[in-house]
Amino acid sequence: KAGVTQTPRYLIKTRGQQVTLSCSPISGHRSVSWYQQTPGQGLQFLFEYFSETQRNKGNFPGRFSGRQFSNSRSEMNVSTLELGDSALYLCASSWGDRPYEQYFGPGTRLTVT
Amino acid sequence: AQSVSQHNHHVILSEAASLELGCNYSYGGTVNLFWYVQYPGQHLQLLLKYFSGDPLVKGIKGFEAEFIKSKFSFNLRKPSVQWSDTAEYFCAVNYNTDKLIFGTGTRLQVFP
Repeated sequence: KAGVTQTPRYLIKTRGQQVTLSCSPISGHRSVSWYQQTPGQGLQFLFEYFSETQRNKGNFPGRFSGRQFSNSRSEMNVSTLELGDSALYLCASSWGDRPYEQYFGPGTRLTVT
Repeated sequence: AQSVSQHNHHVILSEAASLELGCNYSYGGTVNLFWYVQYPGQHLQLLLKYFSGDPLVKGIKGFEAEFIKSKFSFNLRKPSVQWSDTAEYFCAVNYNTDKLIFGTGTRLQVFP
């Protein structure tokens, strides 16, 4: 069974721009969660989607948003990029009835200059 | 507030040494506990998990963890580490909700 895939793997953007990251979950998984990983803060939860609805949200500003499509694929958008948004963005998928048992993708490395 | 603490930030061991990485969580309710591993250049992989039952959980690659409810701990152990165990290890807790809370990670370096 194929794992979680994320595209693109690497991205360089300029301050003020916006970016969209994509995540395809493991087949059959209906829950998708997003995390931001940085050396100083570790893994921080952004949000979780299930059946196209945001089910949980972390403590990030409104510049961070996401959505989920009917095929469970998910996208994450960051608007008005700041230097501090440079991080590894991880997507994780899980079965809907055990959303906390998560399987991670390789991540998208975002660098904001 | 719900939180997870990993007290060892960086651990250096020689091959064949025994390993124990600490993980403590706040809050005393129902929890589901996990250890993840991130090898250099690779993505996070689930090492082992505890939902209920036997508090001693065995995972992949010879790792095990023990859930001690009275100490709010879920320490990771391995009797004899190998060079290939060099990685970053993350403890994570689910407080009966839909999200995971991660510790800050422990970087393990194993020298031959």
